[in-house]
Amino acid sequence: DAGVIQSPRHEVTEMGQEVTLRCKPISGHDYLFWYRQTMMRGLELLIYFNNNVPIDDSGMPEDRFSAKMPNASFSTLKIQPSEPRDSAVYFCASRPPGNLEQYFGPGTRLTVT
Amino acid sequence: GENVEQHPSTLSVQEGDSAVIKCTYSDSASNYFPWYKQELGKRPQLIIDIRSNVGEKKDQRIAVTLNKTAKHFSLHITETQPEDSAVYFCAASHIIQGAQKLVFGQGTRLTINP
Repeated sequence: DAGVIQSPRHEVTEMGQEVTLRCKPISGHDYLFWYRQTMMRGLELLIYFNNNVPIDDSGMPEDRFSAKMPNASFSTLKIQPSEPRDSAVYFCASRPPGNLEQYFGPGTRLTVT
Repeated sequence: GENVEQHPSTLSVQEGDSAVIKCTYSDSASNYFPWYKQELGKRPQLIIDIRSNVGEKKDQRIAVTLNKTAKHFSLHITETQPEDSAVYFCAASHIIQGAQKLVFGQGTRLTINP
């Protein structure tokens, strides 16, 4: 199994631009999580899905952030418009049924200038 | 909501010695406590976890203890090796019907000196 796949691995964009981060969870996993990691705030849960349905989005910082999961094998996290304070590493993680271990993807390092 | 405090923020030990990292949580309803290891530039990976119905769990050189009354849990690494150098994160969550919202501590940077 290839594990959780995220793209792009690095993204540099200018303030005000739209950014879309992508995630492919491990096949068969029914939970998908989006996290943000910064030095200041550590690892924060943004939103998670169960069977493609958003369960808790209370960690999404602002209306500029949105996430979708149109099917079991794909999810996106969109930031529009982006701001320099959005610079961080964004991780996607998935979890199989009946198991609490979350499997993280390699992350997307976002830099907003 | 849940709040997790982790100490120390950095820890340096000699190879072969033991390392202990401590965490406290605020929500008495939390019942799942995992520990993740993150090497530089890599993804977090689960190394051990414990549920609230047990007080201790061991896996080779790694052990976790939980004190529900005091709301704290600890990671113990014995016979440390250079490859144990990494950032370690504790987390807490209240599992309800499989739903899981992990709240992470700020992390401990562990350095093993040869």
